[in-house]
Amino acid sequence: NAGVMQNPRHLVRRRGQEARLRCSPMKGHSHVYWYRQLPEEGLKFMVYLQKENIIDESGMPKERFSAEFPKEGPSILRIQQVVRGDSAAYFCASSLTSPTNTGELFFGEGSRLTVL
Amino acid sequence: DAKTTQPNSMESNEEEPVHLPCNHSTISGTDYIHWYRQLPSQGPEYVIHGLTSNVNNRMASLAIAEDRKSSTLILHRATLRDAAVYYCILRDVPGGTSYGKLTFGQGTILTVHP
Repeated sequence: NAGVMQNPRHLVRRRGQEARLRCSPMKGHSHVYWYRQLPEEGLKFMVYLQKENIIDESGMPKERFSAEFPKEGPSILRIQQVVRGDSAAYFCASSLTSPTNTGELFFGEGSRLTVL
Repeated sequence: DAKTTQPNSMESNEEEPVHLPCNHSTISGTDYIHWYRQLPSQGPEYVIHGLTSNVNNRMASLAIAEDRKSSTLILHRATLRDAAVYYCILRDVPGGTSYGKLTFGQGTILTVHP
């Protein structure tokens, strides 16, 4: 029973390149969340997705960042034209949610992006 | 979003109980109290959650004040592996406008001494 799988675990990009971070939720989970943790800071919510839908993207930067969770395949967080300030750990979480379940989020081990 | 207040850091000795406090004086009636912890270089890990009644699981206990304005996470016997940042979070009910968005504060850094 694999947990939340994120890849790559470490990614190095030069300024201006694109970064793609992948997240496979736990089996049976249809809700995915992305969080960012800047160096020496707390975790910040970015986006909440269900299959093929963005439910809440209030934490996503308005430009260069996008997220998707297609019907088939992993969730993708895409960062275009990366800048040094994008260097951070990006965590994905998933949950099994029903209208009566305030269940826990299961987090992956994170993808650590370094922008040179 | 309702805010929580936690001490920046706490220390404990191994094998001793640890009580981690959290104040949430502006909690709404539909907010659940969740606790997560983050070990060094890892993603957060769910610990426990509750609404009104005290809760126990294999990891910890959660004591919730009668007025729900504060709660305490109790680790009954701290081990070195419990050294982590502990986050107290208020979460909306499913279908609530902010349900998917956990707001992590700075948390409490717990140091466990051998």
